[in-house]
Amino acid sequence: DAKTTQPPSMDCAEGRAANLPCNHSTISGNEYVYWYRQIHSQGPQYIIHGLKNNETNEMASLIITEDRKSSTLILPHATLRDTAVYYCIVRVNNAGNMLTFGGGTRLMVKP
Amino acid sequence: EAQVTQNPRYLITVTGKKLTVTCSQNMNHEYMSWYRQDPGLGLRQIYYSMNVEVTDKGDVPEGYKVSRKEKRNFPLILESPSPNQTSLYFCASSFLAGTGREKLFFGSGTQLSVL
Repeated sequence: DAKTTQPPSMDCAEGRAANLPCNHSTISGNEYVYWYRQIHSQGPQYIIHGLKNNETNEMASLIITEDRKSSTLILPHATLRDTAVYYCIVRVNNAGNMLTFGGGTRLMVKP
Repeated sequence: EAQVTQNPRYLITVTGKKLTVTCSQNMNHEYMSWYRQDPGLGLRQIYYSMNVEVTDKGDVPEGYKVSRKEKRNFPLILESPSPNQTSLYFCASSFLAGTGREKLFFGSGTQLSVL
């Protein structure tokens, strides 16, 4: 699976959009981009995933660049409860295999 | 309710005393996996399984064993625990990649301390 690079930490004001970047310059054509988040020491929680097109669900939006070498997770109106570590991973969409989580981005939402 | 259940939530043991951390899922997932999480090191995969009787090593398999005799259960076994295995452990499951339903569901975690 392709390796991902994320900034170690970011701050965001409550109510504003949080934009979390992820670089995956070695991504291949059949690899999906997945985002998870982990609040305190709870189990990570799935947020969203995509291949080429931008995706949106009730939690967030995912913007993938045309060359697919980077993506941005957008939390449109961040709340204090969105404070967490956000992980971007890529996964080959064939028979399941080893998944590698990087260091993630620690997002701090401030009042 | 769809869930991944790990037990116990907390465990304190001594060096060399065999232990098993259980993991069970009720979603009929083929894929199951174990991770450990240590400060500054993120989530590292220990073992994974793509179906019954099929297991494979992840990034850090040394000192651990797993088995997949039934689809719903994937226990993690530490035959002779050592202090460097003190960590927060997570079990996860999903449908196989390629099905369009690959999102991982994680358990609540097991905090293990080996003295």
